[in-house]
Amino acid sequence: ETGVTQSPTHLIKTRGQQVTLRCSSQSGHNTVSWYQQALGQGPQFIFQYYREEENGRGNFPPRFSGLQFPNYSSELNVNALELDDSALYLCASSTSGGPGKTQYFGPGTRLLVL
Amino acid sequence: GESVGLHLPTLSVQEGDNSIINCAYSNSASDYFIWYKQESGKGPQFIIDIRSNMDKRQGQRVTVLLNKTVKHLSLQIAATQPGDSAVYFCAELPWGDKIIFGKGTRLHILP
Repeated sequence: ETGVTQSPTHLIKTRGQQVTLRCSSQSGHNTVSWYQQALGQGPQFIFQYYREEENGRGNFPPRFSGLQFPNYSSELNVNALELDDSALYLCASSTSGGPGKTQYFGPGTRLLVL
Repeated sequence: GESVGLHLPTLSVQEGDNSIINCAYSNSASDYFIWYKQESGKGPQFIIDIRSNMDKRQGQRVTVLLNKTVKHLSLQIAATQPGDSAVYFCAELPWGDKIIFGKGTRLHILP
């Protein structure tokens, strides 16, 4: 196990609703990255947080937003849910400036939008 | 569109044989590549990485080959075991530590 935890494990929402997903990073890690993984696809980078500030963003609309807290845990918020938002949402923690191999992934939150 | 892709969505290999999983990438600026393994219900797990100044890197039972001329990566798994069953992703890092994943190849081990 990586020490990265995510909650909840599963979630069902309806179109138009809002959702908040949570991630606790591995001890000693100050950077959290969020990814969306659609069924049968590779994870897609959403954004990264470092020291409570957004530090890079992928090709996702503004209704995807996030927060990082002083203890380096993080939240992913998605507003106005769409059917296509159904996916596995992964967070990964790392130390700042670390290469990809130091990104430790959590087990993910599976979101289903009906 | 995605800059990293895979040639085969599913690969079936006899237990004990060697497995070769291939990947094409398109971003010439990428200087760092990673192979990840993702088992059902889990997040991606780092397997092995390689920098663009290398052609080959070996780990425990795994080898990654990089051909920059044709922008091709491969992962070789020696003596494939049932525990190797998973989806394998190649990934590239064209900037910073933001990972770009490919679509993945499912490795199925035959008894």
